[in-house]
Amino acid sequence: DVKVTQSSRYLVKRTGEKVFLECVQDMDHENMFWYRQDPGLGLRLIYFSYDVKMKEKGDIPEGYSVSREKKERFSLILESASTNQTSMYLCASGARGLGQETQYFGPGTRLLVL
Amino acid sequence: DQQVKQNSPSLSVQEGRISILNCDYTNSMFDYFLWYKKYPAEGPTFLISISSIKDKNEDGRFTVFLNKSAKHLSLHIVPSQPGDSAVYFCAASPDKLIFGTGTRLQVFP
Repeated sequence: DVKVTQSSRYLVKRTGEKVFLECVQDMDHENMFWYRQDPGLGLRLIYFSYDVKMKEKGDIPEGYSVSREKKERFSLILESASTNQTSMYLCASGARGLGQETQYFGPGTRLLVL
Repeated sequence: DQQVKQNSPSLSVQEGRISILNCDYTNSMFDYFLWYKKYPAEGPTFLISISSIKDKNEDGRFTVFLNKSAKHLSLHIVPSQPGDSAVYFCAASPDKLIFGTGTRLQVFP
């Protein structure tokens, strides 16, 4: 079974704090993704990575950065958290071969920024 | 501009009956489609997929239908069970996945 784990299920941070969300997958997948899910907006892609040390902007990258130092680990960084970044954050991984790709998701991190 | 649309935010179905969830897309280049199921406070779980070379794919109680000419995708759940109550997302791909906004299905006894 594919396993994608996220470092925290719930986080509460203050405005202006730097926030790290970690994601680890154990299936040797090349591709990893960060999404946020908000009511009525579905899943929106923040950043993705097709290889180690490689990153690409998704649809809503503003206010976020990422790091992929190892194949199995993909980190999302909020440099200076703001209240509009309160959301559910979902990490996913998938095998190489764009198109026909199934992504597998972690349990999510619910972040509250006060 | 939303390329993948789920126009029904919610659906309520009696246990044992059929649930039909719909999804429309705008880009004819999409060639792979997926359905995910999501419970509250959990990540989405992959349910079923279909390639654009097919018009139907079945897995147990779940069947996905693809109508390319109408750019329409549907998920049928037969028979519906209370444990099917969740939010269902459709997604489409030429490369990255593009998700719809979700439909909340409630199956009542």
